[in-house]
Amino acid sequence: QKEVEQDPGPLSVPEGAIVSLNCTYSNSAFQYFMWYRQYSRKGPELLMYTYSSGNKEDGRFTAQVDKSSKYISLFIRDSQPSDSATYLCAMRASKIIFGSGTRLSIRP
Amino acid sequence: GAVVSQHPSWVICKSGTSVKIECRSLDFQATTMFWYRQFPKQSLMLMATSNEGSKATYEQGVEKDKFLINHASLTLSTLTVTSAHPEDSSFYICSAPSGGYQETQYFGPGTRLLVL
Repeated sequence: QKEVEQDPGPLSVPEGAIVSLNCTYSNSAFQYFMWYRQYSRKGPELLMYTYSSGNKEDGRFTAQVDKSSKYISLFIRDSQPSDSATYLCAMRASKIIFGSGTRLSIRP
Repeated sequence: GAVVSQHPSWVICKSGTSVKIECRSLDFQATTMFWYRQFPKQSLMLMATSNEGSKATYEQGVEKDKFLINHASLTLSTLTVTSAHPEDSSFYICSAPSGGYQETQYFGPGTRLLVL
């Protein structure tokens, strides 16, 4: 079993829809949780990070961490075609482990 | 956010040659940098941690003699793929933690290596 599981998609939604991206994990030692956006042939870009459980909001993006369920989510409101990318979750205990990424496509 | 650059952005080389990839932090100093490899549709895999002024720390299964890392200054780390083979073809990405925190590491744009 992988330490971090992420549905690879692809996920296709119409412009303006709310997008929900998720990861599950098995290591209860993870304390820091991150979401990265990666455009094709580019390096990942840090979107959000949270410490321990709870919600964090930044503009159209909301990150949620549920440590009891070992489940994290990223919500994107009012999705735009420019949000089309691969989204990677990541989490850290002693070192960072990345999910395999979910490919997201926003249809105009 | 912080800016990390990589050079070259892509390289094609013949099997058996060596390739050097540079990673620079442009607006902050980084005593530590990370080198990752990413195969198509797969996750980022940490190869090694580059430490300024000391030896790099390699992850299990990564050959230190094949992937030479030199952290020459507080803003520059280099990865040299020695005697490259077609199976080394991949997307190599470096990152540097801003403020020393791994949670806020900033990635370079990546280097695509193709070994013929």
